[in-house]
Amino acid sequence: EIVLTQSPGTLSLSPGERATLSCRASQSVISKYLAWYQQKPGQAPRLLIYGASSRATGIPDRFSGSGSGRDFTLTISRLEPEDFAVYYCQQYGSSPWLTFGGGTKLEIK
Amino acid sequence: QVTLRESGPALVKPTQTLKLTCSFSGFSLSTSGMCVSWIRQPPGKALEWLARIDWDDDKYYRKSLKTRLTVSKDTSKNQVVLTMTNMDPVDTATYYCARRHCSGGVCYDYFDYWGQGTLVTVSS
Repeated sequence: EIVLTQSPGTLSLSPGERATLSCRASQSVISKYLAWYQQKPGQAPRLLIYGASSRATGIPDRFSGSGSGRDFTLTISRLEPEDFAVYYCQQYGSSPWLTFGGGTKLEIK
Repeated sequence: QVTLRESGPALVKPTQTLKLTCSFSGFSLSTSGMCVSWIRQPPGKALEWLARIDWDDDKYYRKSLKTRLTVSKDTSKNQVVLTMTNMDPVDTATYYCARRHCSGGVCYDYFDYWGQGTLVTVSS
């Protein structure tokens, strides 16, 4: 099983700042099959990024993904108030054995 | 418009069997490549993939829970059912069903549509 480790666990930033979230895999994720989701309290996760760097439909361009192999990054260029949430990465390279990271909570400083 | 909705008991007792139903619309599970997965999330914790059923009735289970899980589908009713036996308090979680992304006949195992989730509490 591919284990995904997200860091930091909690990130405290102010609106307008840049957020950088990390997701490290225990082994290489083939073909950049890595997705990112945003989850707000009481809601289901929302797909942000797939294929490590492709934005899902309707996702603002302040969200960007990068990385390959074992290391992946989600960047939010200028934080808006609605961006404060929990973010999860998910690998699908070892389909059907899918795994999620432990999450990064992005909170308002 | 694609929608999914989970339904089932909110409370089960330890050792009981849980049965959850995912009712969906806007796509067909008979379409080649289409799959529906179950994912759970204990309160305040991370997401955990549990099981998947494919258009051709192939089934996959989380290895650590394989002996307790069964997934089935009723294509005519647009429903997927998850059964989990021998429930324990550690199984308390919100259970989601979600659809894999398919476009132009090509499918990938990330989830573009999710149900709203159903909270299941295991307690005597």
